[in-house]
Amino acid sequence: AQSVAQPEDQVNVAEGNPLTVKCTYSVSGNPYLFWYVQYPNRGLQFLLKYITGDNLVKGSYGFEAEFNKSQTSFHLKKPSALVSDSALYFCAVRDSESNYQLIWGAGTKLIIKP
Amino acid sequence: DADVTQTPRNRITKTGKRIMLECSQTKGHDRMYWYRQDPGLGLRLIYYSFDVKDINKGEISDGYSVSRQAQAKFSLSLESAIPNQTALYFCATSEGGSGQPQHFGDGTRLSIL
Repeated sequence: AQSVAQPEDQVNVAEGNPLTVKCTYSVSGNPYLFWYVQYPNRGLQFLLKYITGDNLVKGSYGFEAEFNKSQTSFHLKKPSALVSDSALYFCAVRDSESNYQLIWGAGTKLIIKP
Repeated sequence: DADVTQTPRNRITKTGKRIMLECSQTKGHDRMYWYRQDPGLGLRLIYYSFDVKDINKGEISDGYSVSRQAQAKFSLSLESAIPNQTALYFCATSEGGSGQPQHFGDGTRLSIL
């Protein structure tokens, strides 16, 4: 079965430090991978995606993600965290076995401390 | 995302009641989706529609039904609400193609007593 995992429920980072939010996946075929962010009382917002091409993908708000095929990972990164980055982050992968719908990770709460 | 509007934003109701959640979009997208979000479970797909005449069940469609009244409107109904349907519900839209991102409304918080 195809799946996506976010192994950390919560990540705590000091403002100004680099941050990483982890995502691993298991799919058949070529993976289409996505990151979304959810702020309190809001819907999810698209950050970035990987379909093909460069393994380092740049997205909104200074975020980037690195696709690693051998480790089946797609970790979200930012060189210098801001307090305003505090939010819930979701990784998702396209499910080729279910009409190409998205399979979602459980989410990782990112807390940036001043 | 102001382009995807969900109503109501909050709803409290009783077990056994019929409830309709509505979603409208001005993005001109053909594809629309209904998800529910529960803490620690991420998002789970309830129903999706690729166009007005195409409706598909998602992972957790039991107890729910949908109607695609127009390209811009996609409503979700709970025919007889039960407490374990208490959740945050999201509508989303996307352009055609599986690599296209989805655009979400701000959600409806539904509580069933």
